[in-house]
Amino acid sequence: SQQGEEDPQALSIQEGENATMNCSYKTSINNLQWYRQNSGRGLVHLILIRSNEREKHSGRLRVTLDTSKKSSSLLITASRAADTASYFCATDDHDYKLSFGAGTTVTVRA
Amino acid sequence: EAQVTQNPRYLITVTGKKLTVTCSQNMNHEYMSWYRQDPGLGLRQIYYSMNVEVTDKGDVPEGYKVSRKEKRNFPLILESPSPNQTSLYFCASSHRLDQPQHFGDGTRLSIL
Repeated sequence: SQQGEEDPQALSIQEGENATMNCSYKTSINNLQWYRQNSGRGLVHLILIRSNEREKHSGRLRVTLDTSKKSSSLLITASRAADTASYFCATDDHDYKLSFGAGTTVTVRA
Repeated sequence: EAQVTQNPRYLITVTGKKLTVTCSQNMNHEYMSWYRQDPGLGLRQIYYSMNVEVTDKGDVPEGYKVSRKEKRNFPLILESPSPNQTSLYFCASSHRLDQPQHFGDGTRLSIL
């Protein structure tokens, strides 16, 4: 089963700055989801974007999907200390399974 | 409150001693799955279930068993645990795979 790959592996930004992370995948997908994980806790769903969508917004989050490049990006605007977490993309690739990447660890400095 | 509950949250045990990690959801979800999370590897799916009595292997099923006798419960069974199964385990559920997954808080297993 394919696995998304997040880039960068780690990101450190100042509070108030924007954070952008990318996810690449290998084969066609039904949808792509982004999740957040705080310090070894359970993952929390952020946004789901379907293969026929190009962009979605949710509060300070913006997700894009480019199926021709097999990539997605997650933008967090005006970051806060509470945004410090690991972020994972997950792809639903037609075989009834979700495949997760290794994640991007974001640290927001006060 | 909608939730996925895993038990135990922490367990230290020894090689070969059978153990079961329980998972229960109260959202009437059809789809349930188990993942393990290891540093640098992200989450890898162990088993999933599309509905009662329907289960299938994920990417890393070796050494694990599951059952789905009731819709709300999806236990993970390690018949003969080994140290390479030391990991953080998550159960998740949803109505369908193309909907957000709800995750439990995790079970940290240490096999000595």
